Amino acid sequence: KAGVTQTPRYLIKTRGQQVTLSCSPISGHRSVSWYQQTPGQGLQFLFEYFSETQRNKGNFPGRFSGRQFSNSRSEMNVSTLELGDSALYLCASTRMGQGAQAGELFFGEGSRLTVL
Amino acid sequence: TQLLEQSPQFLSIQEGENLTVYCNSSSVFSSLQWYRQEPGEGPVLLVTVVTGGEVKKLKRLTFQFGDARKDSSLHITAAQPGDTGLYLCAGVGRSGNTPLVFGKGTRLSVIA
Repeated sequence: KAGVTQTPRYLIKTRGQQVTLSCSPISGHRSVSWYQQTPGQGLQFLFEYFSETQRNKGNFPGRFSGRQFSNSRSEMNVSTLELGDSALYLCASTRMGQGAQAGELFFGEGSRLTVL
Repeated sequence: TQLLEQSPQFLSIQEGENLTVYCNSSSVFSSLQWYRQEPGEGPVLLVTVVTGGEVKKLKRLTFQFGDARKDSSLHITAAQPGDTGLYLCAGVGRSGNTPLVFGKGTRLSVIA
């Protein structure tokens, strides 16, 4: 079956702009999580959506937001971009969501954002 | 806040050598997962360990979960260039829908 698809794969923005990233989960998966990956901080959890509802949120400023649609596809948006937002943004899907019953997270290849 | 510390951060070894990477925490997890991430790709699950003291083998890779479910190790025997990548451990919380906690990873380079 098709894996997790993220678009775009690469993008370059300038400070102050905003960006929207898209994630299509594996068919049948209702949970989509977003992570920011940087060399210094590793994978940091942004948020998780399950059945169109934000279920968990990481410790990121309000400039980072997301949503999930009825077909489980998800988007995340970063407004007023800063240089420090340069990172690989990874999306992961799972059937039942994260938590104590969590199974495998299936990751996409990521969207690499460079902020100039 | 649950934290996972991985060591070493970087490891460069010759083909055929053995190595061990560690994942430690002061918190107890219900289970722990190990992922490998190759350049330009997302992490891929290698194994999940659930029971304290559990040992799982995946070909040349041996994973162990500490008795107290606070730490884990990954041992690779006779490393090969194909083992090169970023190894990440991730802890699954004990209750509710808390998201996975990831360590910062060990970047392994195996030189032929």
